Amino acid sequence: GENVEQHPSTLSVQEGDSAVIKCTYSDSASNYFPWYKQELGKGPQLIIDIRSNVGEKKDQRIAVTLNKTAKHFSLHITETQPEDSAVYFCAASKGQNFVFGPGTRLSVLP
Amino acid sequence: DAGVIQSPRHEVTEMGQEVTLRCKPISGHDYLFWYRQTMMRGLELLIYFNNNVPIDDSGMPEDRFSAKMPNASFSTLKIQPSEPRDSAVYFCASSRGLARNTQYFGPGTRLTVL
Repeated sequence: GENVEQHPSTLSVQEGDSAVIKCTYSDSASNYFPWYKQELGKGPQLIIDIRSNVGEKKDQRIAVTLNKTAKHFSLHITETQPEDSAVYFCAASKGQNFVFGPGTRLSVLP
Repeated sequence: DAGVIQSPRHEVTEMGQEVTLRCKPISGHDYLFWYRQTMMRGLELLIYFNNNVPIDDSGMPEDRFSAKMPNASFSTLKIQPSEPRDSAVYFCASSRGLARNTQYFGPGTRLTVL
C-alpha cells in the first residue's frame, strides 16, 4: 500500500522567513496530493492541493510543487507569520483513500 | 454554511464501557470518513462510506469497533468494549466524491478511556 514520509518533523523559522516541508510517496498511481494545517484542538483544514497533471500551484503565500518522477512534493510558505504556527500534514491518494504523512510542527518565532 | 459536526467533543469513560461517537457530514457530500489520530500512529483512516454504504473498513482495528451510516446526514462510530489504548482523537470527514476529492474534517472527539 501507499506510504508517505514527511520531513522535517519540527521546523522553527523567524517571522518573515520561508518554510519548506517535503513529502515522498511510494505508490506511483497516487494522483492527488493535499496539504492540511491543524491548529491545536481543531481538525485538519485543507490549505492547498495539487493533482498529478500539474507541477506547481500557488495561492498567495503558499505554494506546492510536485515531482512525479521522483515521487515527492513540497509545501512552501513565504513571508511566514505567527499565525502560520501549526502542524502541517501532507497526504497522497488515488481515490478517496488518503494516506497522511506523520506531520511537521512549524513554529514561527516573532 | 455548517461544516462537519461531531459530538461529543470530549468523552471520558471507563474501560469496558460502550462509547458512541457521532457525526453529521456536510450536506450534499456523499463520502464520509472516520479517522483516528494518536501521537504514535498519526492520522489513520478507519473506515469510509459512499452513499451510506461502507466501502473500506480495513482500517478498523478490531471487532470492538463498528460504524454505521443509517442515512446521508448521520454516522456513528461505536467502540464496545472500550480499552485504554483506544484513547485518541477521532475525526469525521466528508467529501463530494464527484468533485475534487477534498475532505473536510470535523473538530474531532477526544476520547479518554480510563
